[in-house]
Amino acid sequence: DVKVTQSSRYLVKRTGEKVFLECVQDMDHENMFWYRQDPGLGLRLIYFSYDVKMKEKGDIPEGYSVSREKKERFSLILESASTNQTSMYLCASRVLGGGRGYTFGSGTRLTVV
Amino acid sequence: ILNVEQSPQSLHVQEGDSTNFTCSFPSSNFYALHWYRWETAKSPEALFVMTLNGDEKKKGRISATLNTKEGYSYLYIKGSQPEDSATYLCALSNTGNQFYFGTGTSLTVIP
Repeated sequence: DVKVTQSSRYLVKRTGEKVFLECVQDMDHENMFWYRQDPGLGLRLIYFSYDVKMKEKGDIPEGYSVSREKKERFSLILESASTNQTSMYLCASRVLGGGRGYTFGSGTRLTVV
Repeated sequence: ILNVEQSPQSLHVQEGDSTNFTCSFPSSNFYALHWYRWETAKSPEALFVMTLNGDEKKKGRISATLNTKEGYSYLYIKGSQPEDSATYLCALSNTGNQFYFGTGTSLTVIP
């Protein structure tokens, strides 16, 4: 059963902390993505990666960075967490090219206090 | 950023009722329209991918239609059950291999 695994289901962090959200996929997909989901706003793309060591900004990259040192792992980093980064974070992957859909992780609910 | 709109934002239906909701999208550079079901505490699950104008897909009690000329897709649920309660997301993929998600429709089926 192929899957995308996010390391934490719930996280509570303090303002100013550096936060790492980890995502691992076992499908050998080239593309990986980080989204956040907020009520009434839908899924918004933060960063994505087409291949190892490659990264591209999405629609809302401010306050975030990413790391992709291995094909299967894509990490989202909040350099200095702020309360407006409280959200549901979804990782996803898909094969390169075409309009094929995503395989999603189950999400990480991050609360910054 | 393309504007993919879903309506209604939320709805509550009684068990056994049939329901439908809409995904509207700009039809330029269209490649595919995706529907996902996202249950609480689970991963969004792919329901349908449709590429051709007039496409209809069905999975059990759930079906979807696609009109690429006018830029909309309908998702229908026949005889809603409590286990259908979820957020239903649509997403447009274009010829540039980009995905644009709608804001979702939150469905609650009341037993």
